[in-house]
Amino acid sequence: GENVEQHPSTLSVQEGDSAVIKCTYSDSASNYFPWYKQELGKRPQLIIDIRSNVGEKKDQRIAVTLNKTAKHFSLHITETQPEDSAVYFCAAFPGGYGNKLVFGAGTILRVKS
Amino acid sequence: KAGVTQTPRYLIKTRGQQVTLSCSPISGHRSVSWYQQTPGQGLQFLFEYFSETQRNKGNFPGRFSGRQFSNSRSEMNVSTLELGDSALYLCASSWSAGGEETQYFGPGTRLLVL
Repeated sequence: GENVEQHPSTLSVQEGDSAVIKCTYSDSASNYFPWYKQELGKRPQLIIDIRSNVGEKKDQRIAVTLNKTAKHFSLHITETQPEDSAVYFCAAFPGGYGNKLVFGAGTILRVKS
Repeated sequence: KAGVTQTPRYLIKTRGQQVTLSCSPISGHRSVSWYQQTPGQGLQFLFEYFSETQRNKGNFPGRFSGRQFSNSRSEMNVSTLELGDSALYLCASSWSAGGEETQYFGPGTRLLVL
């Protein structure tokens, strides 16, 4: 089955710097890759997603890149702000009936002001 | 549209008891997935229901069970509670099955087993 590895487990950056979180997946058939942000005590919320027919997607300060050959995808946050501090989860969906979304272990991002 | 709701939000039980958690998906969504979240363990998949059928099951013991009703509302049950079952239980709904469409999470039920 699909396996998703996420790095780093914790990341501290200075406010205004960029943050990059990387995930690798094992199933080459995976075709959907969402990223969730979970603030302390709150539910995970989708912040951006990408499908396998696209290499990059941006939404304001957030971008996701996908390298299907290397089977990895990354979340890029530019001009980080204290409110970006949260746990970020990547996930991959292998596609096809009977499969399920597989999550990475999460990255704790701390933005220091 | 109203978001995913879960009841109760907080629960305290003792070892050996059983508990039932409820999840109401976004209107029109037919898939409900359940996850257990503990510190350091991330999101552990429990099971997924689609159109009242269990489509997928994670690696949890048989004490964990669930069901889905015709209105897509779902319940999960944990019998013979153990201390290690203390966790945040999240459900997520989506229009289609499996996760190829966006999953929207509920606020979770925080279960404490004493």
